[in-house]
Amino acid sequence: EAGVAQSPRYKIIEKRQSVAFWCNPISGHATLYWYQQILGQGPKLLIQFQNNGVVDDSQLPKDRFSAERLKGVDSTLKIQPAKLEDSAVYLCASSFSLAGNEQFFGPGTRLTVL
Amino acid sequence: KNEVEQSPQNLTAQEGEFITINCSYSVGISALHWLQQHPGGGIVSLFMLSSGKKKHGRLIATINIQEKHSSLHITASHPRDSAVYICAVSLDSNYQLIWGAGTKLIIKP
Repeated sequence: EAGVAQSPRYKIIEKRQSVAFWCNPISGHATLYWYQQILGQGPKLLIQFQNNGVVDDSQLPKDRFSAERLKGVDSTLKIQPAKLEDSAVYLCASSFSLAGNEQFFGPGTRLTVL
Repeated sequence: KNEVEQSPQNLTAQEGEFITINCSYSVGISALHWLQQHPGGGIVSLFMLSSGKKKHGRLIATINIQEKHSSLHITASHPRDSAVYICAVSLDSNYQLIWGAGTKLIIKP
């Protein structure tokens, strides 16, 4: 069974530029999560989808971050414009459903904003 | 006070030692997760448990629901076990994961 796929694995941009990350969850997983993990800290949930609907985006900085999962399968997270403090690893995870299921994580995208 | 507390924050041990990492939580949960993160690597789920004990190879996870406490044990530790071990709980209200700060484990040969 293929795992959660993410791309790119690494991205370096200058502040005020835009960037987009892509995630393809495990086939059949209805729930998809985007996390931000700053170096030395635990992951912070940015947004959670159930199929193509948003379940929780309370910690997503909506002035610069956006995410979509239009067909309920793969998802894109965008930052526009990026700030220095956005430097982090962006992790995508998926689970079979909302109900406390085990989450499977992708390898992450390491973003450096200069 | 954090809803999920892990101890110790850092742990260095010699190869072969028995390792224990503790996790306490203060909220109602539907499940507790132990995850592993290697430097520069993604996160791997080790265990998801809501009661009792689970074992996988040299790893053992236990949970005491009444005391709101869980432990992760590693028997016969090996340098490849060096990683950050994270405890996270699924809230019983909305299943959102609340993460501990992680325990950085270093096993010296």
